[in-house]
Amino acid sequence: GAGVSQSPRYKVAKRGQDVALRCDPISGHVSLFWYQQALGQGPEFLTYFQNEAQLDKSGLPSDRFFAERPEGSVSTLKIQRTQQEDSAVYLCASSLQGEMYSGANVLTFGAGSRLTVL
Amino acid sequence: AQSVAQPEDQVNVAEGNPLTVKCTYSVSGNPYLFWYVQYPNRGLQFLLKYITGDNLVKGSYGFEAEFNKSQTSFHLKKPSALVSDSALYFCAVRDWEDGNNRLAFGKGNQVVVIP
Repeated sequence: GAGVSQSPRYKVAKRGQDVALRCDPISGHVSLFWYQQALGQGPEFLTYFQNEAQLDKSGLPSDRFFAERPEGSVSTLKIQRTQQEDSAVYLCASSLQGEMYSGANVLTFGAGSRLTVL
Repeated sequence: AQSVAQPEDQVNVAEGNPLTVKCTYSVSGNPYLFWYVQYPNRGLQFLLKYITGDNLVKGSYGFEAEFNKSQTSFHLKKPSALVSDSALYFCAVRDWEDGNNRLAFGKGNQVVVIP
């Protein structure tokens, strides 16, 4: 597609529910990132994929957070047993090349999925 | 570890006046520096980046930024602000020599351009 598409744009969950957030990156983009943006803060790194391989998941805040990109294109971020502190905007970004080739890659971001946990 | 500081929460400027948004960074190695802009309900959009070479970097929409290694700064500038420049601006850094691939973002600066 022309840009990075994320769905749903808005999600309200009751505490304890599981949620799944989808990211459809730009076609052909090798790298895919997930970031978490709390209200009034900058984006915080969660995890990174190069094709289908999850090369860095050190930013995931707990084992309730899980991400996958099984075919190297669409990615899903899953949050189990949501807590109020999970309320944030979850941003997905992609870039054309793998990070090993250029640390200076420009990221293209989606509009984000706003999660509110009640 | 890399980090970015954006000391001002909000920058107010009159339309037509110069705009400056401040950013300082901390890395153990050499930085790759970026500026992104975020409009309401939109994703972050790339403005410009510094990798190496000329310290003055020119980017989209008339924005530029100057890399200053001694002051560890990468301030964003625009000679004449427009009302449409009102948005949230994020500075970001990557320390490539650190071996990781993550961008560290600042908390952002809200820019308000007053007509």
